[in-house]
Amino acid sequence: GAGVSQSPRYKVAKRGQDVALRCDPISGHVSLFWYQQALGQGPEFLTYFQNEAQLDKSGLPSDRFFAERPEGSVSTLKIQRTQQEDSAVYLCASSLETRFSGYTFGSGTRLTVV
Amino acid sequence: GENVEQHPSTLSVQEGDSAVIKCTYSDSASNYFPWYKQELGKGPQLIIDIRSNVGEKKDQRIAVTLNKTAKHFSLHITETQPEDSAVYFCAASHGGTSYGKLTFGQGTILTVHP
Repeated sequence: GAGVSQSPRYKVAKRGQDVALRCDPISGHVSLFWYQQALGQGPEFLTYFQNEAQLDKSGLPSDRFFAERPEGSVSTLKIQRTQQEDSAVYLCASSLETRFSGYTFGSGTRLTVV
Repeated sequence: GENVEQHPSTLSVQEGDSAVIKCTYSDSASNYFPWYKQELGKGPQLIIDIRSNVGEKKDQRIAVTLNKTAKHFSLHITETQPEDSAVYFCAASHGGTSYGKLTFGQGTILTVHP
């Protein structure tokens, strides 16, 4: 596609529910990143994929967060047993090269946990 | 890890004036410094970037300067227009990785008054 697509755009979850957030990167982009952006803050790194390999998950806040990219294209970020502090915008970005060449971000999924 | 400080947090200018946003970073090994513009409800958009082997880069009304010794870099916007109003983020890449994991500043809300 023309850009990075994320779905859903908005998600409201009751505390304790599991959620799954989807990212469709730009076709052919090798690198895929997930970032978390709290209200009024800059994005914070969660995890990185090179094709299907998850090479860095050092930013995932807890073991309730899990990400996958099984075929090296679409990625899913899953949050189990959501808590209020998980409320944020989750941004996905992709990049053409394995060496850094500039990200293209999606519009994000705004998650609200009530 | 890397720490990026950005200021000011808000900046208000009249149309036609210049705007300057400054960032400092902590990791002397950081080697890539992009700037992103984020409009309401959208993901960050790359507007300009600079690598550590260059001291200044310009693209039309936008320029970025880098002082590696002092570990700071700045965004300069000249002849500001109302459509420049947005949140601007600086970022730095960790020099120890090959895939460009970014640390972002806290953001600057720029308002350009007609």
